[in-house]
Amino acid sequence: GAVVSQHPSRVICKSGTSVKIECRSLDFQATTMFWYRQFPKQSLMLMATSNEGSKATYEQGVEKDKFLINHASLTLSTLTVTSAHPEDSSFYICSARAFPTGTESHEQYFGPGTRLTVT
Amino acid sequence: DQQVKQNSPSLSVQEGRISILNCDYTNSMFDYFLWYKKYPAEGPTFLISISSIKDKNEDGRFTVFLNKSAKHLSLHIVPSQPGDSAVYFCAASVAGGSEKLVFGKGMKLTVNP
Repeated sequence: GAVVSQHPSRVICKSGTSVKIECRSLDFQATTMFWYRQFPKQSLMLMATSNEGSKATYEQGVEKDKFLINHASLTLSTLTVTSAHPEDSSFYICSARAFPTGTESHEQYFGPGTRLTVT
Repeated sequence: DQQVKQNSPSLSVQEGRISILNCDYTNSMFDYFLWYKKYPAEGPTFLISISSIKDKNEDGRFTVFLNKSAKHLSLHIVPSQPGDSAVYFCAASVAGGSEKLVFGKGMKLTVNP
């Protein structure tokens, strides 16, 4: 099946610093990648949709200047949390679609997630 | 406004029995539904999906039923195995748009040996 990796799996950073999280589709090309955030015992909340070669589409309430997304290639999207604060501590998960938009399959394949702790 | 609802936070069943996980949705524009399984500190794993043109889809021990008039779907696992113990998320999407997924809050399934 389609494999999505994330790096790093865990990161601890100091308040005010920036952290970059990478999401890679390993055995397929992903025209669209998604970034989610999950708080403990909560659902996955979509933060933004990342399309290769174009600007990301952010969900309402998500600060695009704080959560910078770059989808530079068909296999890589990055999320940079800028000037991180303790309230940004969360579990960040990316996913990728293996099929172009408009085809029947809607399945998204998820990465293993990144646990961010801001001290 | 929770568009996808999983009203029961947890379910405990005996090994070998059937597990039934329920999901309700409010947006009539949803036309594709998916179930994901998630272990702690891991990303969700795709299990099974169903298009709104169908009312049933089966894959091995997993069957998803869709009742469009009731805006309700369910995941049946039979027979349940201890390895099925995890959090299960119901998700829905709308074709033709960004096809982003809207997730329910999840339901923790525990299968006891």
